[in-house]
Amino acid sequence: TQLLEQSPQFLSIQEGENLTVYCNSSSVFSSLQWYRQEPGEGPVLLVTVVTGGEVKKLKRLTFQFGDARKDSSLHITAAQPGDTGLYLCAGAYYGGSQGNLIFGKGTKLSVKP
Amino acid sequence: DAGVIQSPRHEVTEMGQEVTLRCKPISGHNSLFWYRQTMMRGLELLIYFNNNVPIDDSGMPEDRFSAKMPNASFSTLKIQPSEPRDSAVYFCASRMDPLNQETQYFGPGTRLLVL
Repeated sequence: TQLLEQSPQFLSIQEGENLTVYCNSSSVFSSLQWYRQEPGEGPVLLVTVVTGGEVKKLKRLTFQFGDARKDSSLHITAAQPGDTGLYLCAGAYYGGSQGNLIFGKGTKLSVKP
Repeated sequence: DAGVIQSPRHEVTEMGQEVTLRCKPISGHNSLFWYRQTMMRGLELLIYFNNNVPIDDSGMPEDRFSAKMPNASFSTLKIQPSEPRDSAVYFCASRMDPLNQETQYFGPGTRLLVL
C-alpha cells in the first residue's frame, strides 16, 4: 500500500518567516503534485514535478522532487497571511489505475500578520 | 469557464436516511473522481470513472455506497442507509485525458453531517 507522509501536520508562523513542509514515501512515484486547499473549497493544483531532482518555483514557493522520486518538499519564503491553508501532496504511482493519485493528509499552515 | 459543480454544498440528515450527492464535471473532461475527506483519514479516493464507466471502485467503503455516471455531464454518489461515521466532506474532481493525464480539478465539496 502506497502511503504519503506529510510533516509537520500543523504549522503556525508569523508573517515574513520561511518554512518547509515535507512529503515522504517508501514508494516511487511517476510524478508528484502539490495542492493548496482553503476552508470550504476543494484542493487547487499548485505544481506537478516529474523528474527526480527537479526544482520548480512559483513566486515565493519552491518545490523539489527527490532524486529517487520518493519524496518532495515545499519551501515558502517570507510567508504571507494569504499563504494560509492546507497543503496537500499527491503522488501518481506506476501501475496505478491510469495515473490515479495518492494523497497525503496535509500540512495545515497558519500565517499570522 | 465553469469549474466542477457539486450539490448540495451542505447536507444534514439523520442516521438511516438516504443521501444523494451530485456532480457536474468540467465540460470536455472524460474522467471523474469521487473523494471523501476527514481529519483522521485525509483525502481518500472512493471511485473513478472514465468515459462514464466505473474503472476503480476499490475505495468504496461498503455496499451502502453506490455511484453512477449516466452521461458525461452528471454523476451521483448515494449513501443508503447513512450512518454517523459517513460524516465528511465529499469532493468530486474531473480530468481531461489524455492531454494532461494527472491534473485533477476539484469541486467545492459537499459537507455531510449524519446525526
